[in-house]
Amino acid sequence: KQEVTQIPAALSVPEGENLVLNCSFTDSAIYNLQWFRQDPGKGLTSLLLIQSSQREQTSGRLNASLDKSSGRSTLYIAASQPGDSATYLCAVLIINQAGTALIFGKGTTLSVSS
Amino acid sequence: DGGITQSPKYLFRKEGQNVTLSCEQNLNHDAMYWYRQDPGQGLRLIYYSQIVNDFQKGDIAEGYSVSREKKESFPLTVTSAQKNPTAFYLCASSLRDINEQYFGPGTRLTVT
Repeated sequence: KQEVTQIPAALSVPEGENLVLNCSFTDSAIYNLQWFRQDPGKGLTSLLLIQSSQREQTSGRLNASLDKSSGRSTLYIAASQPGDSATYLCAVLIINQAGTALIFGKGTTLSVSS
Repeated sequence: DGGITQSPKYLFRKEGQNVTLSCEQNLNHDAMYWYRQDPGQGLRLIYYSQIVNDFQKGDIAEGYSVSREKKESFPLTVTSAQKNPTAFYLCASSLRDINEQYFGPGTRLTVT
């Protein structure tokens, strides 16, 4: 059974610091991997999607990498800002006999202080 | 202005009552999903629909029901059979089931 783990569960950094959020998954047979951001009490905002054949995707200050063989993805945030404070969720899409399923990690809650 | 809307934002019900949560999308997506989010547990799939008039149970479908009569709409009914209905409910959609999922703002349901 596919499991997604995000470590650490919480992270506090000063403004301006570059940081890396980690995501690991137990089964490398994934179709794609998606990173989301969630603000308290809000829905999820899609940040980046990496197809299984890709190694990385970039959007502004965000860069996501994927190493399918080792079951790992990282989300790199450059020059962090207080507005980056949120919970970041990683999810992998699997395809099996029952259909497709997006399996989520529990998230890393980031706090950026000014 | 394309997107996914969920209503209401907050919902309060007495135990034993059924309640229906609304989810509408104008993105012309075929696939729609319902997730439940509890503190410390992450998101869990309740039901999903790949196409109109078709839907499949997710990991935690017991006590819930859905319908998909229109492409734009995927309402979720929380029945009195759901033992712990208090949670944050999120609706999502994607062009097809293998594509990027987009989420609505969520409905927080409190049952007392």
